[in-house]
Amino acid sequence: DGGITQSPKYLFRKEGQNVTLSCEQNLNHDAMYWYRQDPGQGLRLIYYSQIVNDFQKGDIAEGYSVSREKKESFPLTVTSAQKNPTAFYLCASKTRTGNTEAFFGQGTRLTVV
Amino acid sequence: AQKVTQAQTEISVVEKEDVTLDCVYETRDTTYYLFWYKQPPSGELVFLIRRNSFDEQNEISGRYSWNFQKSTSSFNFTITASQVVDSAVYFCALSEANRGAGSYQLTFGKGTKLSVIP
Repeated sequence: DGGITQSPKYLFRKEGQNVTLSCEQNLNHDAMYWYRQDPGQGLRLIYYSQIVNDFQKGDIAEGYSVSREKKESFPLTVTSAQKNPTAFYLCASKTRTGNTEAFFGQGTRLTVV
Repeated sequence: AQKVTQAQTEISVVEKEDVTLDCVYETRDTTYYLFWYKQPPSGELVFLIRRNSFDEQNEISGRYSWNFQKSTSSFNFTITASQVVDSAVYFCALSEANRGAGSYQLTFGKGTKLSVIP
């Protein structure tokens, strides 16, 4: 079945550690996105990528990094520079036109302990 | 810059009541696309509907209906005869048209949490 897979579903990080969230899609979509969701804040864009080997900062990119070495994969690294990383992270993909919907993964809940 | 406002943070209704979720948007483009997504407790966003700026016809899908009014920049969502399974967070989103090297990103509202009480 086609879709987007995020892993892990739950992730715990100690302060000062970097952690990487995985996002894989088999929908043959060019564009991929990472969103952060906090209670009452909606979805805020962290990074997005339109094609392989290219990505752009979203509204809240500080403290995060990404790579896009393969079309299917768009991992997100939460670095120690991110001051408040506890949140729900959602990955999405879509075709490269404005009129198509995005497909979302099931999310990763990151907690700093 | 584009913006989506969902003024209702939380709504509670009794089962079988009708409920309308409001969405107001801002954009400078004449061509744009509007979306509604449902986020159940499991967390994954589920696509419900897409509407382009040139199509102001209202749409009905079962118990769901959408009212798009360009004059008021609104794209409201109504659930008729609500059910407990409708309990979720609902997001309205806006995407501007193809801008060549543009981002095709979705701008989301903050969501409305709907609770349907049995």
